[in-house]
Amino acid sequence: GNSVTQMEGPVTLSEEAFLTINCTYTATGYPSLFWYVQYPGEGLQLLLKATKADDKGSNKGFEATYRKETTSFHLEKGSVQVSDSAVYFCALSESSGNQFYFGTGTSLTVIP
Amino acid sequence: EAGVAQSPRYKIIEKRQSVAFWCNPISGHATLYWYQQILGQGPKLLIQFQNNGVVDDSQLPKDRFSAERLKGVDSTLKIQPAKLEDSAVYLCASSPPKGFYGYTFGSGTRLTVV
Repeated sequence: GNSVTQMEGPVTLSEEAFLTINCTYTATGYPSLFWYVQYPGEGLQLLLKATKADDKGSNKGFEATYRKETTSFHLEKGSVQVSDSAVYFCALSESSGNQFYFGTGTSLTVIP
Repeated sequence: EAGVAQSPRYKIIEKRQSVAFWCNPISGHATLYWYQQILGQGPKLLIQFQNNGVVDDSQLPKDRFSAERLKGVDSTLKIQPAKLEDSAVYLCASSPPKGFYGYTFGSGTRLTVV
């Protein structure tokens, strides 16, 4: 079956530190991969996506590369800001394009 | 483009009472989803509509949960009667027919059952 596994949090970093949030997946076909972000009190927002192997998704300084050989889609940012404090969800969409599977989320707190 | 609208934002009810949530998807989005997000967990799909037809409701607790999407636009999710374990954020999302490019989520309704 399809599933997503994220590193457990919470993660606490100082401002300007390097961020990595690990995500690995299991899928039966050729899924698309996503990172969603949820700020306090808000719904989920699409952060970035990659639809095929070796694609790199990027947005707001965040990056993630679709690695088929390691079934991974790790989220990285070179220098985090306090405003990046949120919960980050890794997700996959089946090749059929409709069913989404979410990880359990990783809470990030950035301190000044 | 207007986003996915949900109401109410917050709701507190006693167990065994009933509650209803409303969702208005992005105009033109044929597919609508209801997710349940329990604190500390990822969203779990409850039901998926394609236009006004149900595509997947395999994880919907049908003894107490029901959902409808009249005319293929707005949708309502109802819980009757509510249990303590139904306390969660209920998220509505919509997408074009093929969701490869990501859903758009609403802000959610936070339900507390006491």
